[in-house]
Amino acid sequence: GQQLNQSPQSMFIQEGEDVSMNCTSSSIFNTWLWYKQEPGEGPVLLIALYKAGELTSNGRLTAQFGITRKDSFLNISASIPSDVGIYFCAGHRSNTGKLIFGQGTTLQVKP
Amino acid sequence: DTGVSQDPRHKITKRGQNVTFRCDPISEHNRLYWYRQTLGQGPEFLTYFQNEAQLEKSRLLSDRFSAERPKGSFSTLEIQRTEQGDSAMYLCASPPGTSGYNEQFFGPGTRLTVL
Repeated sequence: GQQLNQSPQSMFIQEGEDVSMNCTSSSIFNTWLWYKQEPGEGPVLLIALYKAGELTSNGRLTAQFGITRKDSFLNISASIPSDVGIYFCAGHRSNTGKLIFGQGTTLQVKP
Repeated sequence: DTGVSQDPRHKITKRGQNVTFRCDPISEHNRLYWYRQTLGQGPEFLTYFQNEAQLEKSRLLSDRFSAERPKGSFSTLEIQRTEQGDSAMYLCASPPGTSGYNEQFFGPGTRLTVL
């Protein structure tokens, strides 16, 4: 089963607002990834994080790899309607090939 | 477009029938992953290949499931004697290049509905 806990489960915000979501684990991960998924499509990679404490940006998105290696955060600034979707965190351990995903945060943006 | 393609995009079948899905990964990478995603959940790992070798299988992969990757290129996932609980999105993923496995790019998925 899932080993990552994402929060919040869903968010309904006004266009232009900033958004924060996080992901926690009971185990250490070596890599954290953030994906966005839209209905009927596969997840699309947004940001990859490789080192504890790392802060990485991709346009209006910023993600951080927690210093304990057990958590990660994603922030979206100045949200727009096309940010709507489900955001997933995923963790990777170097001794396996697999990604472990959170349950997702559903984001809705009101114009 | 991630460069990972899957076929078919949608499959509706009756319980008890066999189904087969295909994945064509980013061509230059030797790793290929299969995941399953049910409604309201994140993807869950099923299995992965390095070249033609299947290196790890999840406990989710019952004996009705079989995956192959002949010649280390495309891969197929077959489900025999489908059950309603098999209804899900089946996703294929591949790393983007010849170095590193940590980033995985997903295909559009095959949505399976078992009636």
